[in-house]
Amino acid sequence: AQSVTQPDIHITVSEGASLELRCNYSYGATPYLFWYVQSPGQGLQLLLKYFSGDTLVQGIKGFEAEFKRSQSSFNLRKPSVHWSDAAEYFCAVGPSFGNEKLTFGTGTRLTIIP
Amino acid sequence: EAQVTQNPRYLITVTGKKLTVTCSQNMNHEYMSWYRQDPGLGLRQIYYSMNVEVTDKGDVPEGYKVSRKEKRNFPLILESPSPNQTSLYFCASSLGQGAFWTEAFFGQGTRLTVV
Repeated sequence: AQSVTQPDIHITVSEGASLELRCNYSYGATPYLFWYVQSPGQGLQLLLKYFSGDTLVQGIKGFEAEFKRSQSSFNLRKPSVHWSDAAEYFCAVGPSFGNEKLTFGTGTRLTIIP
Repeated sequence: EAQVTQNPRYLITVTGKKLTVTCSQNMNHEYMSWYRQDPGLGLRQIYYSMNVEVTDKGDVPEGYKVSRKEKRNFPLILESPSPNQTSLYFCASSLGQGAFWTEAFFGQGTRLTVV
């Protein structure tokens, strides 16, 4: 069964500092991978996705993520965070033929300090 | 504007009183699903639908029903709500299935409280 682990429940970084949010997945084939962001009181917005090809993918709001098959990871990065990046971030994997489901991690809450 | 619309956004109800949360998408997407979000558990899929009249259980279907009579609508029905169904609910839609999947588009969420 596919699964996603986000080991960091809560991360605090200073505005302007770099950010890396970790995501590890378990999946039987080449995965479809996603990062979503949820701002307070809002729905989920897609930041970026990986389906195939270049393992470094660029997303919206200056985010990028790198797919590393050998480590089963898809970590999200941003070189310089802004106060508006404070939100909850979810990594997700799937679906695939015969398993029509997105599986989400438990999320990482990001706090930005001035 | 492409969107997934859920109603209501907030709902407080009493145990056992049937309720329906509506979900509508205007993108002609085939695939629709319902998730619930609980602290520390992330989003868990309740039900999904791959097309009209085709629905299937997700990870946590107990206590919920769905129907897909039209492509654009996918209502979530709680026949007899209980307090453990207090949660934040999201509807999502996407184009295609499996290898033809595109990203999921989410509604704004419905915060349900069952007392």
